[in-house]
Amino acid sequence: QQKVQQSPESLSVPEGGMASLNCTSSDRNFQYFWWYRQHSGEGPKALMSIFSDGDKKEGRFTAHLNKASLHVSLHIRDSQPSDSALYFCAASGNNAGAKLTFGGGTRLTVRP
Amino acid sequence: GGIITQTPKFLIGQEGQKLTLKCQQNFNHDTMYWYRQDSGKGLRLIYYSITENDLQKGDLSEGYDASREKKSSFSLTVTSAQKNEMAVFLCASSPHRENTGQLYFGEGSKLTVL
Repeated sequence: QQKVQQSPESLSVPEGGMASLNCTSSDRNFQYFWWYRQHSGEGPKALMSIFSDGDKKEGRFTAHLNKASLHVSLHIRDSQPSDSALYFCAASGNNAGAKLTFGGGTRLTVRP
Repeated sequence: GGIITQTPKFLIGQEGQKLTLKCQQNFNHDTMYWYRQDSGKGLRLIYYSITENDLQKGDLSEGYDASREKKSSFSLTVTSAQKNEMAVFLCASSPHRENTGQLYFGEGSKLTVL
């Protein structure tokens, strides 16, 4: 079983809509969570991190972490066609920085 | 800013062949990684290195060798390529001492085995 599981596998939203991506970990050693985004033909790029319970907002992107349930989510409001990409949740243990474990990804399509 | 350069961008090999991928970074980062990505799916860690001459196995190290010749370079060898294998190999680096968890990736090397 994958230690970091993402849902849904794919998601389609209209331009201007809200996209919600989910991630659950099965390893209680994971303390630090990241969201990465990968456009076609490129390497993944770090989007945002979240290390504490609650919400973290960066522009149109809001991440939410619940450490008790090991659940993290990413919400994208006012979605744009340029947000269409593969989104990865990644987690690491108490030594943040080494050995990130990635989930299987959610493919987001924003329809113009 | 820095950059991660992976060579070659595309690699075509024969079954059983030994194939080597190279990665260079000019961030002056301590830690470097090799991940494998299958057909638009998740990333699986093959090897990582926290300093020059250090090697740590990831979850997918069987069938691969790695070498950290110097701080700026990290190479990965597929010891015996498998027929019908197709994947993208991604190199990344991070400033280990800062422990931010942020990895910087190259654009990937796409492997096809005939």
